[in-house]
Amino acid sequence: KAGVTQTPRYLIKTRGQQVTLSCSPISGHRSVSWYQQTPGQGLQFLFEYFSETQRNKGNFPGRFSGRQFSNSRSEMNVSTLELGDSALYLCASSLARAQETQYFGPGTRLLVL
Amino acid sequence: QKEVEQNSGPLSVPEGAIASLNCTYSDRVSQSFFWYRQYSGKSPELIMSIYSNGDKEDGRFTAQLNKASQYVSLLIRDSQPSDSATYLCAVGKDMRFGAGTRLTVKP
Repeated sequence: KAGVTQTPRYLIKTRGQQVTLSCSPISGHRSVSWYQQTPGQGLQFLFEYFSETQRNKGNFPGRFSGRQFSNSRSEMNVSTLELGDSALYLCASSLARAQETQYFGPGTRLLVL
Repeated sequence: QKEVEQNSGPLSVPEGAIASLNCTYSDRVSQSFFWYRQYSGKSPELIMSIYSNGDKEDGRFTAQLNKASQYVSLLIRDSQPSDSATYLCAVGKDMRFGAGTRLTVKP
């Protein structure tokens, strides 16, 4: 069974731009969660989607948004990029709940210049 | 005060020893607790989840939860060099992570 895939793997943007990251969960998994990982703040939960609905949300500004499609694929969007948004963005999928066994994708490394 | 705290380490133990990793949390109503392992340059992978007070064992790993004292720990018995990684504690339905403890197991 294929694992969680994320595209693109690397991205360079400039301040003020917006970016969209994509995540394809493991087949059959309906819960997709997004995380931001930085050396300073560690791993931080952004949000969780299940059946196209946002179920939980972390403490991030509204510039960070996401959505989930009927095939469980998910996208995350960051608008008006700031230097501090440079991070590794990880997506994780699980069968039904983020609290179950989550499988992480390889991540998208975003650099904001 | 951070919501989930871990000793950042590094924690160094000799091969075959018991490695003890600790995590404290501030939200008393948390009901779910997780330990993840993250190798350098890789994504986290779940080692254990625990929901009830007491011990939960899985192979060489034992998770211990004490809700009254608000801590959860992970013991790794017979530590191997391949256990060298950063161990992340996560708490609650919104998955609050600690900063992680870097473990090195020396041959």
